[in-house]
Amino acid sequence: SQQGEEDPQALSIQEGENATMNCSYKTSINNLQWYRQNSGRGLVHLILIRSNEREKHSGRLRVTLDTSKKSSSLLITASRAADTASYFCATEGVDSSYKLIFGSGTRLLVRP
Amino acid sequence: ETGVTQTPRHLVMGMTNKKSLKCEQHLGHNAMYWYKQSAKKPLELMFVYNFKEQTENNSVPSRFSPECPNSSHLFLHLHTLQPEDSALYLCASSQGEREASQETQYFGPGTRLLVL
Repeated sequence: SQQGEEDPQALSIQEGENATMNCSYKTSINNLQWYRQNSGRGLVHLILIRSNEREKHSGRLRVTLDTSKKSSSLLITASRAADTASYFCATEGVDSSYKLIFGSGTRLLVRP
Repeated sequence: ETGVTQTPRHLVMGMTNKKSLKCEQHLGHNAMYWYKQSAKKPLELMFVYNFKEQTENNSVPSRFSPECPNSSHLFLHLHTLQPEDSALYLCASSQGEREASQETQYFGPGTRLLVL
């Protein structure tokens, strides 16, 4: 399985602090994506990083990808209470177009 | 809103009931997906339809039966479910080009299913 595994499982920080979540996977990928899910709702796509990219930014989000270590990190800077959610990484394998394998997620709590 | 709607949002059913979940996307996409999300487990892909053809059945029990009448609509027919089937069922869609990868998926809000 190339299932992604997020670390930590849960993270609690103060508003204004940075939050870092990590994801590891097992097989070769086309891309890695990060999604956010508010409690009991659908997932919202945040950012996609291709296998030939090492870093990508979107607003307060910064994603890195290290294919040699099969790992990625998501950094949320200057966190806000509204960032409270679960964050999932998902990988698209090189032989698996359309098929995303999701990790178990990191539950982020940002305290006001 | 993501452009993907799901109905109903909540469903309670007995093990002998037959019910259907509906998903509709307004994004002009050609690929649609069903996922199951259980407590404390990763999101599980159930089915994939691309250009109305089923391209993935991830070893899903036959008590779950998908239907994709056109590229905008996806159904999940439920019959004789078990209590362990209680979960959040999420629908998603993506562009679905024939040779595509690098696709972003757009999710609906989900149907919370409870099987008694």
